[in-house]
Amino acid sequence: NAGVTQTPKFRVLKTGQSMTLLCAQDMNHEYMYWYRQDPGMGLRLIHYSVGEGTTAKGEVPDGYNVSRLKKQNFLLGLESAAPSQTSVYFCASSYSKGREKLFFGSGTQLSVL
Amino acid sequence: GENVEQHPSTLSVQEGDSAVIKCTYSDSASNYFPWYKQELGKRPQLIIDIRSNVGEKKDQRIAVTLNKTAKHFSLHITETQPEDSAVYFCAASLKEFYFGTGTSLTVIP
Repeated sequence: NAGVTQTPKFRVLKTGQSMTLLCAQDMNHEYMYWYRQDPGMGLRLIHYSVGEGTTAKGEVPDGYNVSRLKKQNFLLGLESAAPSQTSVYFCASSYSKGREKLFFGSGTQLSVL
Repeated sequence: GENVEQHPSTLSVQEGDSAVIKCTYSDSASNYFPWYKQELGKRPQLIIDIRSNVGEKKDQRIAVTLNKTAKHFSLHITETQPEDSAVYFCAASLKEFYFGTGTSLTVIP
């Protein structure tokens, strides 16, 4: 039982490049989330999904897209990376929406030059 | 939406002393309040949580109190140990989680 797995762990991009972060969970959770963590700003919700085939915007969705084609996977895409997207990204999943604990992945350190 | 404020942003205590971290929230409908601990370079992990129908919850050296009227909740760590050094995040939730900005706790041996 691996829990929540994120790949890659580190990535450096040039401005304008694109990339996809992959999140996988093996706990059969319906709810999945992408957060970004910046110094002094806590964890901010980018996008989330309440089930396979669904996605919704969070607090800071601009510049990101997501997809949930399979229940166990939640992908975060950056189409044209900007330096403001330099951050640590965490994927998370949960049994219910906002009422049970979040299980976090190990994070992705992204630097956009 | 919900607004969660967390204080202090940094906290240093001597080993064996107690540490208290406080959070306030704005949406009176929020009903779930978890606390996460994040060690350096690691993922956040839940250490304790409380629901709005409970005023206090304790788990060994860690306790959380909730005052719904004042809309604030606090984390209490007693008999602190060096391994308690980490960043602690509070959160408030009704359907979505809103996180505080974190408290960096340092326990000095």
